[in-house]
Amino acid sequence: GNSVTQMEGPVTLSEEAFLTINCTYTATGYPSLFWYVQYPGEGLQLLLKATKADDKGSNKGFEATYRKETTSFHLEKGSVQVSDSAVYFCALSGGGATNKLIFGTGTLLAVQP
Amino acid sequence: DGGITQSPKYLFRKEGQNVTLSCEQNLNHDAMYWYRQDPGQGLRLIYYSQIVNDFQKGDIAEGYSVSREKKESFPLTVTSAQKNPTAFYLCARSIGGRGNEQFFGPGTRLTVL
Repeated sequence: GNSVTQMEGPVTLSEEAFLTINCTYTATGYPSLFWYVQYPGEGLQLLLKATKADDKGSNKGFEATYRKETTSFHLEKGSVQVSDSAVYFCALSGGGATNKLIFGTGTLLAVQP
Repeated sequence: DGGITQSPKYLFRKEGQNVTLSCEQNLNHDAMYWYRQDPGQGLRLIYYSQIVNDFQKGDIAEGYSVSREKKESFPLTVTSAQKNPTAFYLCARSIGGRGNEQFFGPGTRLTVL
């Protein structure tokens, strides 16, 4: 079945450092891919998405490219801020009318000043 | 609030009692979802509904029930049959259809004493 694997955290970085959070997936067909962010005690917010191979999603300085050849959707940011500290979830929508999302286990990012 | 509200934010119940969590959306979206989140884990799908008066079980439906009498409302009841109900519950909405993103509410943290 469909699945998502994320790098385990926590990831601890200094402010202005480069961020990469790895995400790989297993899916049949052509899933849509998403990154969500969750701040403490809150719901999930959609950060970015990509719906087909080679698409690049971007938002608030974050980017991720849909790589079908490596089944990956790694999240990157060139210069992190303390306010980026949160849990990041990679997810896929496996297609079909139900639009069910399959989530990774999340990666905690802690940015230190 | 992303067009979706959940109430209350915190809920405490005694073991053996049923409890209903509210989820309301004001964007006329067809699809609604309930997820459960446990510490350090991703989200798991409990129930989903794509149309009024219709809903389907997700991956962990045992001990839960839902209704969809109105398009804007999708309440979740955690019954006494749910063996481990303490968790963070998240409701989401989507326009439905393949590959479309879901938008989440702020969540309800349920603690069963």
